[in-house]
Amino acid sequence: DAGVIQSPRHEVTEMGQEVTLRCKPISGHDYLFWYRQTMMRGLELLIYFNNNVPIDDSGMPEDRFSAKMPNASFSTLKIQPSEPRDSAVYFCASSLAGNQPQHFGDGTRLSIL
Amino acid sequence: AQKVTQAQTEISVVEKEDVTLDCVYETRDTTYYLFWYKQPPSGELVFLIRRNSFDEQNEISGRYSWNFQKSTSSFNFTITASQVVDSAVYFCALSEPSNTDKLIFGTGTRLQVFP
Repeated sequence: DAGVIQSPRHEVTEMGQEVTLRCKPISGHDYLFWYRQTMMRGLELLIYFNNNVPIDDSGMPEDRFSAKMPNASFSTLKIQPSEPRDSAVYFCASSLAGNQPQHFGDGTRLSIL
Repeated sequence: AQKVTQAQTEISVVEKEDVTLDCVYETRDTTYYLFWYKQPPSGELVFLIRRNSFDEQNEISGRYSWNFQKSTSSFNFTITASQVVDSAVYFCALSEPSNTDKLIFGTGTRLQVFP
């Protein structure tokens, strides 16, 4: 079975540019999560969806961040405009149910210059 | 408030040694779930185990074992006869149905196994 698929694996861009991260969850998983990992703050939950509906976006750092899930097999996390402090590894994860194991993608390593 | 503490920032052992990674959690709920994840140097996060709060039986999977003790709010992870491939950062995490099932991660323990 295919796992969670994230793209791109690496992204380097200049500050002020729009960045779009993509995620395809495991088929049949109803929950999708976006995390950010940095050395300073560790793993932080940004937002999660249940059946394509955003449930908790309290972790989204500011209005520059937005996430969508237009269908059960695709989600995007967008940063506009990007800033150097957004540099991090962004993970997408999916699970069958809320308290079931989350399966993570390989992450997107984002560098904002 | 829910919280997960992994007091050991970094542990170094020599191959074949046993090593225990500590995890202490805080919760007010009676129903909750505990998890361990492994993050090898390649960066991906790999699920290892899930345990619910009503199941205090210890679990063994090959060289891995987990000791869940509600009395001390701990969910420790032991690797027996460690190998170089066990080198990774290990995260303990907690979720509570009353808190929308969000995973709250500890800060992780970096394990280095030397040959």
